[in-house]
Amino acid sequence: AQSVTQLDSQVPVFEEAPVELRCNYSSSVSVYLFWYVQYPNQGLQLLLKYLSGSTLVKGINGFEAEFNKSQTSFHLRKPSVHISDTAEYFCAVSYGATNKLIFGTGTLLAVQP
Amino acid sequence: NAGVTQTPKFRILKIGQSMTLQCAQDMNHNYMYWYRQDPGMGLKLIYYSVGAGITDKGEVPNGYNVSRSTTEDFPLRLELAAPSQTSVYFCASSYSGTADRDTQYFGPGTRLTVL
Repeated sequence: AQSVTQLDSQVPVFEEAPVELRCNYSSSVSVYLFWYVQYPNQGLQLLLKYLSGSTLVKGINGFEAEFNKSQTSFHLRKPSVHISDTAEYFCAVSYGATNKLIFGTGTLLAVQP
Repeated sequence: NAGVTQTPKFRILKIGQSMTLQCAQDMNHNYMYWYRQDPGMGLKLIYYSVGAGITDKGEVPNGYNVSRSTTEDFPLRLELAAPSQTSVYFCASSYSGTADRDTQYFGPGTRLTVL
């Protein structure tokens, strides 16, 4: 069965500092990997996705993630965060023909001035 | 395009009442999904549909029903509301074609409280 683990429920960071949000997955089949962002009181918005090809994926708002098959990880990074990046970030995997998503429990990125 | 729209935004129900959460999309997506989001739990799939007339259960379907009579609409029905159904509900859609494959687009959510 597929599952997604986000070990950090909250990551506090100062503005302009780098950040890494961790995501590990388990799956016996090939999966597609996603990061979604949820701003307060809003729906989810796609940040980036890995389907195939280059293992380094660039997304919106300066975020990037690296797919590591041997470590079954898909960590999200940003070299310099802004106050506006404060949000909840969800890692997800999809599998099969119906694009169903399995989400991690989310990481709250709290950017402080 | 309005994208994915959900109504209502907020609702308070009494135990045992019924209601329908509405979801519509104008992107001609064939796949649609319902999720619930509980604090610290991420999103769990309730039901999904791969096209008009075709629906299937997700991870947490108990207490809910769905129908898909048109491509655009995917309502979620709660028949006998229970406090355990207090949650934020999100509808999403995606397209199975090659363009933008696998990206799900989410609505703004419905916050439901059952007292």
